[in-house]
Amino acid sequence: GAVVSQHPSWVICKSGTSVKIECRSLDFQATTMFWYRQFPKQSLMLMATSNEGSKATYEQGVEKDKFLINHASLTLSTLTVTSAHPEDSSFYICSARDPAGVNTEAFFGQGTRLTVV
Amino acid sequence: DAKTTQPPSMDCAEGRAANLPCNHSTISGNEYVYWYRQIHSQGPQYIIHGLKNNETNEMASLIITEDRKSSTLILPHATLRDTAVYYCIVSSKAGSNYKLTFGKGTLLTVNP
Repeated sequence: GAVVSQHPSWVICKSGTSVKIECRSLDFQATTMFWYRQFPKQSLMLMATSNEGSKATYEQGVEKDKFLINHASLTLSTLTVTSAHPEDSSFYICSARDPAGVNTEAFFGQGTRLTVV
Repeated sequence: DAKTTQPPSMDCAEGRAANLPCNHSTISGNEYVYWYRQIHSQGPQYIIHGLKNNETNEMASLIITEDRKSSTLILPHATLRDTAVYYCIVSSKAGSNYKLTFGKGTLLTVNP
């Protein structure tokens, strides 16, 4: 399957600072990218959907001013957690899809574990 | 909310076939059935998907009932590395209607 890479794999930051997570599609053009978060022992929860060159669409209850998403190119999307607090500590996972490609299913990155102290 | 129902857990002996069921009684005509799995602390891995015909690839087989209200993922020869949470998801393929909403999945434990 196609390869999606996230960076960093894990990050620890101080409360009140911002953290940026990158999601790259390595061998295909991802016109659509999705961001999820997963708390311990829970399932993945979709946060937002972004289309290249457009503003992201956020799921209900997700603060768009806190979770900034940029999808400026066909291979890169970033999620910035602004003014992070301990309750933002979670496993953040991106996925990417090319609806017009050979493989139209979404492929996932390896996830980023964020710990806010 | 997830539109699928799966058993919370299942066990399987190594080398035997693992059959994971999924109910999706409210599936729409244009919605596909997708299967992903998540090994602990990793991102989900795509397994297989189908619309109405049975599908097979190098990882698994997907059997969809004729009325499309349920399906079964088959891992023909389970190994210890197949221990994971398996998610059955229904979604349209088309553009903005494509959305993978994860339920709680089935924790498959493959025992030696």
